[in-house]
Amino acid sequence: NAGVTQTPKFQVLKTGQSMTLQCAQDMNHEYMSWYRQDPGMGLRLIHYSVGAGITDQGEVPNGYNVSRSTTEDFPLRLLSAAPSQTSVYFCASSYRARGFASEAFFGQGTRLTVV
Amino acid sequence: AQSVTQLGSHVSVSEGALVLLRCNYSSSVPPYLFWYVQYPNQGLQLLLKYTSAATLVKGINGFEAEFKKSETSFHLTKPSAHMSDAAEYFCAVSERNNNDMRFGAGTRLTVKP
Repeated sequence: NAGVTQTPKFQVLKTGQSMTLQCAQDMNHEYMSWYRQDPGMGLRLIHYSVGAGITDQGEVPNGYNVSRSTTEDFPLRLLSAAPSQTSVYFCASSYRARGFASEAFFGQGTRLTVV
Repeated sequence: AQSVTQLGSHVSVSEGALVLLRCNYSSSVPPYLFWYVQYPNQGLQLLLKYTSAATLVKGINGFEAEFKKSETSFHLTKPSAHMSDAAEYFCAVSERNNNDMRFGAGTRLTVKP
């Protein structure tokens, strides 16, 4: 089982460039989310999705877009990269059983540097 | 909205000593609580979770945590630290019927020989 797969693992962007971070899960989880991890700040929620076609903003959504056309995929788009978006990005998925939320399952992360 | 506060961004213990990592939560509804571990350059791995069954929860690698409603705490402990426990640890909270999970700032555990 692959679980949650993120690509690429590393990326360097120039200020103003755009790119898409890919996330795919093979566990048929309905809930997917994107976090960014910065030193001393833990993980902060960027965007999340409760199912295909449904997305919503988290704590720090500015500068990022998401879409969810399938259950498996949840890409994160940086529209115009800024140095403040230098971070490690994690994708996670989870499910609900009998109405109750499961734990989150994480990908290995994408380390993004914006210069 | 729910939130967690981890007390101490860095904890250092000697090998064989007790590990205690502190987490306090804030939630307007009964929460689910989690501890995750992150080794260098890796993703987050679930250590244990509280989902309102037993208040003392046992996890992997000898860790356990106790849910104390009166203190709004969910501290992580291990009786005897091992060098391989050196990592960053995150406490997280979610609502029972909501998959929106929020994390603390993390505690880096160092284990001295």
